[in-house]
Amino acid sequence: GENVEQHPSTLSVQEGDSAVIKCTYSDSASNYFPWYKQELGKGPQLIIDIRSNVGEKKDQRIAVTLNKTAKHFSLHITETQPEDSAVYFCAASIKSGANSKLTFGKGITLSVRP
Amino acid sequence: SAVISQKPSRDICQRGTSLTIQCQVDSQVTMMFWYRQQPGQSLTLIATANQGSEATYESGFVIDKFPISRPNLTFSTLTVSNMSPEDSSIYLCSVPAVGNEKLFFGSGTQLSVL
Repeated sequence: GENVEQHPSTLSVQEGDSAVIKCTYSDSASNYFPWYKQELGKGPQLIIDIRSNVGEKKDQRIAVTLNKTAKHFSLHITETQPEDSAVYFCAASIKSGANSKLTFGKGITLSVRP
Repeated sequence: SAVISQKPSRDICQRGTSLTIQCQVDSQVTMMFWYRQQPGQSLTLIATANQGSEATYESGFVIDKFPISRPNLTFSTLTVSNMSPEDSSIYLCSVPAVGNEKLFFGSGTQLSVL
């Protein structure tokens, strides 16, 4: 089955700097890659996603890039703010008919220092 | 996106007891999913709650331990039975978006077993 790896487990950046979080996946058939943000005491919130027919997607300060050859995808956050501090999860899935099953990475704790 | 309400938000339970977690969605959905998030770990799919049929459990999870009900298209419950400290986790309800792979989560139930 699919295996999703996230490294490192923690990342600390200065407010205003950029943060890049990387994930790798194992199954070349995976075709959907979402990123979730989880704040303390809350459920994961979908912040951006990308499909395998696209190499990059942007939404204001966040962007996701996908390298299918290397089987890795990254979340980029520019002009970081303290409220970006959270746990970020990447995931990968294969859509088969009406079904798809997400496999999640272990998450990375991002701390933005004021 | 769907509005997903989950309760209780947290509970502290004694070993050997059972806890039932409720999930209510503001729209009708075919599938509802239950995830477990152990401390510092990723999200692991427990089962898929199907309306009108038995839940589908993932490897490592069994109906006797995690019975699920799905009485209608907007509601599901997950029971954690005969709890032990190893069951201390966040339990999350999630639903897919209509027509695509996006997955939305409730706010979770933080369970601590003493």
